[in-house]
Amino acid sequence: AQSVSQHNHHVILSEAASLELGCNYSYGGTVNLFWYVQYPGQHLQLLLKYFSGDPLVKGIKGFEAEFIKSKFSFNLRKPSVQWSDTAEYFCAVNAGNTGGFKTIFGAGTRLFVKA
Amino acid sequence: GAVVSQHPSRVICKSGTSVKIECRSLDFQATTMFWYRQFPKQSLMLMATSNEGSKATYEQGVEKDKFLINHASLTLSTLTVTSAHPEDSSFYICSARDSFGGHSPLHFGNGTRLTVT
Repeated sequence: AQSVSQHNHHVILSEAASLELGCNYSYGGTVNLFWYVQYPGQHLQLLLKYFSGDPLVKGIKGFEAEFIKSKFSFNLRKPSVQWSDTAEYFCAVNAGNTGGFKTIFGAGTRLFVKA
Repeated sequence: GAVVSQHPSRVICKSGTSVKIECRSLDFQATTMFWYRQFPKQSLMLMATSNEGSKATYEQGVEKDKFLINHASLTLSTLTVTSAHPEDSSFYICSARDSFGGHSPLHFGNGTRLTVT
């Protein structure tokens, strides 16, 4: 069965610090990878995704993620965080060939950015 | 962008009663919708895949008779928690894609906070 592991449950950073959130998944076949973000009081929304091509993908608000197939990883990065990046971040995976393309989520990482 | 509307946002019910949660895709058609459950400080757990015009597909360990799913149209799926008990208290979230394919991201409703007393 597919699973997604996020290494950090809580992260506290000061503004302008760099961010990297780890994500590993377990599935040997073709995968589609996502990072979703949930700002306080809002619904989950897409930050970025990877399904083919350049393994370094760029998303909204200066976020990027790198797919490393050999490590089964899809880490999220941002060079300089802002207070407005305070949110919960979820890594998610679906297998590229399963019926319905069920998406499995990691446990989430709560990021708090100090102004 | 694609919008998913979920209603109600909060509901409190007594043990033994049933609660219905609606999920609507407002500006697109969704042949498939997904229902998730989120426990405090935990991840979203996929409960079932709702298929328009056919039976839902439930994940292992999810009781289909307790969590009734109906997807009667291309824009509406409902989740009914039957004979609710306090352990059913949770945050329920629906989602859908606005185009076919696993690379297409999910669009989420705002979720429903269910409290069973």
